[in-house]
Amino acid sequence: EIVMTQSPATLSVSPGERATLSCRASQSVSSNLAWYQQKPGQAPRLLIYGASTRATGIPARFSGSGSGTEFTLTISSLQSEDFAVYYCQQYNNWLNFGQGTKVEIK
Amino acid sequence: EVQLVQSGAEVKKPGESLKISCKGSGYSFTSYWIGWVRQMPGKGLEWMGIIYPGDSDTRYSPSFQGQVTISADKSISTAYLQWSSLKASDTAMYYCARLGRGGYCSSTSCYSDYWGQGTLVTVSS
Repeated sequence: EIVMTQSPATLSVSPGERATLSCRASQSVSSNLAWYQQKPGQAPRLLIYGASTRATGIPARFSGSGSGTEFTLTISSLQSEDFAVYYCQQYNNWLNFGQGTKVEIK
Repeated sequence: EVQLVQSGAEVKKPGESLKISCKGSGYSFTSYWIGWVRQMPGKGLEWMGIIYPGDSDTRYSPSFQGQVTISADKSISTAYLQWSSLKASDTAMYYCARLGRGGYCSSTSCYSDYWGQGTLVTVSS
C-alpha cells in the first residue's frame, strides 16, 4: 500500500498570505496525484489533478507541483473561503489519501 | 450537469443491516467507476472500494474487503453500499464519488471529479 504523508498537520496563515502544503508518497506515484479541499459539513471538492492541473472553476491562486514522491499545493494569497482541510490523494496504484492539512486563520 | 445524490441519514443498532444509495445523473452512469469513501467523526478520508457499473467489476480496499458490499443497478443509475451486521465503529459519514476518465488518469485508477453530499450513518444501541 502506498502511504501518503502530509505536512504540516495544521498551518496557521493570515488572510492574504501564501500557504504551502506538502504531500509525500512512500513510493513513486508519477504525476497521478490530486488535491481536494473540504470545508466543515461539506463533501470534498477536487482542486488539482495530474499533480498540477486545476479542476474546472478552481481559482488561479491554487497551484500544484511535483512528481514522483514529493508534491506541493500552494495557495498564493489566502482568501477567507480558503480556510479548510486539504487532502492529497494518489491514484497511481489504487487510491490512498493523506491524513490532511488544516489551514486555519492566524 | 453531473450530480450524485445520496440517500438520507440513518440511525441503526449494532447487528442491524443497512444499504445506502448514490444516484448518478447528467452523465453515462455505466461508463465511469464510482466509489465510496468513509470519514469517521473528526477524521480523514478513506477509500472503501469502487465499482464499474457497466460490468459490475468491483474492487475493495484491503481494510474493507469482507466488511461491506458495493453494488450497482445500472437500470436506475444507482450505486449502493451495504452492511450485513453494523458495528458502532461503522458510525461515520459516507461519500460516493465518481472517478474521472482521460489522459490524466493512471492505467488503474483516477481522481474523483464529482462527489455526493454524504450520508451520515450512526450506529448506537
